[in-house]
Amino acid sequence: EAGVVQSPRYKIIEKKQPVAFWCNPISGHNTLYWYRQNLGQGPELLIRYENEEAVDDSQLPKDRFSAERLKGVDSTLKIQPAELGDSAVYLCASSFDYEQYFGPGTRLTVT
Amino acid sequence: GENVEQHPSTLSVQEGDSAVIKCTYSDSASNYFPWYKQELGKRPQLIIDIRSNVGEKKDQRIAVTLNKTAKHFSLHITETQPEDSAVYFCAASKVAGSWGKFQFGAGTQVVVTP
Repeated sequence: EAGVVQSPRYKIIEKKQPVAFWCNPISGHNTLYWYRQNLGQGPELLIRYENEEAVDDSQLPKDRFSAERLKGVDSTLKIQPAELGDSAVYLCASSFDYEQYFGPGTRLTVT
Repeated sequence: GENVEQHPSTLSVQEGDSAVIKCTYSDSASNYFPWYKQELGKRPQLIIDIRSNVGEKKDQRIAVTLNKTAKHFSLHITETQPEDSAVYFCAASKVAGSWGKFQFGAGTQVVVTP
């Protein structure tokens, strides 16, 4: 069974530029999560989807971050414009029932 | 909302010794407690989990215990090996149906020295 797939794995951009991350969850997993992980810290939830519906986006900075999950499968997380403080690893995860599985993450560096 | 505290932040052990990491949570409704291992530059990997209807679970050299009354749970690694060196995260979640909201601890850097 394929795991959670994310792309790109690494991204370096200048501040004020836009960036987008893509995630393909494990087949059959209805729940999809986007997390941000800063160095030396645990993952922090940005948004959670149940199928196509964003059911928890309370920690998503909506002025610059947006996300979508069309057809309840793949998801895209976008930042526009990026700021220096957005440098982090962006993790996608999916779950069905209890267990949650993570993708490899996208390491974003904003210069 | 849920708050998870994890201790210690770093843990150095000699190969062959045991390692124990402790987490406390605040929401008594949390019912699922996974542990993740994250090696440098890699994804968090689920290594063991426990549900609120169970007090202890063991898988080879790792075990997890849960005390619902005190709202804390612990990861125990016995006979540590150098490959156990990593950052370990605990999490607490309220799982309902097919989804849950996970709150993670800050992580414990475990270093196993030969």
